[in-house]
Amino acid sequence: AQKITQTQPGMFVQEKEAVTLDCTYDTSDPSYGLFWYKQPSSGEMIFLIYQGSYDQQNATEGRYSLNFQKARKSANLVISASQLGDSAMYFCAMREVGGSQGNLIFGKGTKLSVKP
Amino acid sequence: ETGVTQTPRHLVMGMTNKKSLKCEQHLGHNAMYWYKQSAKKPLELMFVYNFKEQTENNSVPSRFSPECPNSSHLFLHLHTLQPEDSALYLCASSQDGISSTDTQYFGPGTRLTVL
Repeated sequence: AQKITQTQPGMFVQEKEAVTLDCTYDTSDPSYGLFWYKQPSSGEMIFLIYQGSYDQQNATEGRYSLNFQKARKSANLVISASQLGDSAMYFCAMREVGGSQGNLIFGKGTKLSVKP
Repeated sequence: ETGVTQTPRHLVMGMTNKKSLKCEQHLGHNAMYWYKQSAKKPLELMFVYNFKEQTENNSVPSRFSPECPNSSHLFLHLHTLQPEDSALYLCASSQDGISSTDTQYFGPGTRLTVL
C-alpha cells in the first residue's frame, strides 16, 4: 500500500487565487513528520513547509499553509494568492521517526500550473 | 557558495564509462543522501550517510558506489551503467537524520543520460 497518496496528477489555478493540493498518508507510527517540497522544471527540490504529528496548530510559512487533519490522515498544502512562479511539481513526503534512518517517503507529486 | 551544490548538472555517458557525481553541502549538516528520480516514478532513496558512516543502502545495484570522505562531501561513482539508469540524481543533506523535525535540503540535481 502507498504510504503517501497525492490524487491530483495535475491542477490548474488562476493567478492570485488560492489552491489546495491534496495529500493523504498511511502510518501506524505515532511520531512522524510531514513535508511539502516544490520542484520547478530546473529540478531542484525546494523545501516549503513542515508539520509534526504532535503539532497542535497547522503550520504556516508565508503564502503556504498546511491543513493538517490527523484523524483523516491528510496534510493538504494550501497556496494563497498564486503567482506564475508557483507553477511546478509539488511533492508531499513523510518521515516516520520509528522507520529507517533518514527515510523520507515521497508521493508521486502534483503538477500545478498557474494561469495568467 | 550556499546550500547544497551538485556537479555536473548534466552528464551523458556510455555504458562502459566510469564517471562520478559530486555533492557538497555548506549547511553544517551531518547527514547526506542520494536519491534517484526517474520519469513517472516517485523519488527513490538510494543511500544515506550519517557522520560519514553509511547507514542505509536501499538495495542499490553495485554499479552505483557512494563515497563520503567527510560530512560536507558526497560522491556517487558510476560504472557500467544501463540505459534505465538515466534519471535525475538528487543529493540532499540534513542536520542529523534522526530528530523528528530533521528537514532535508536538496541540491539542483545531476541529469544523467546513459547511452
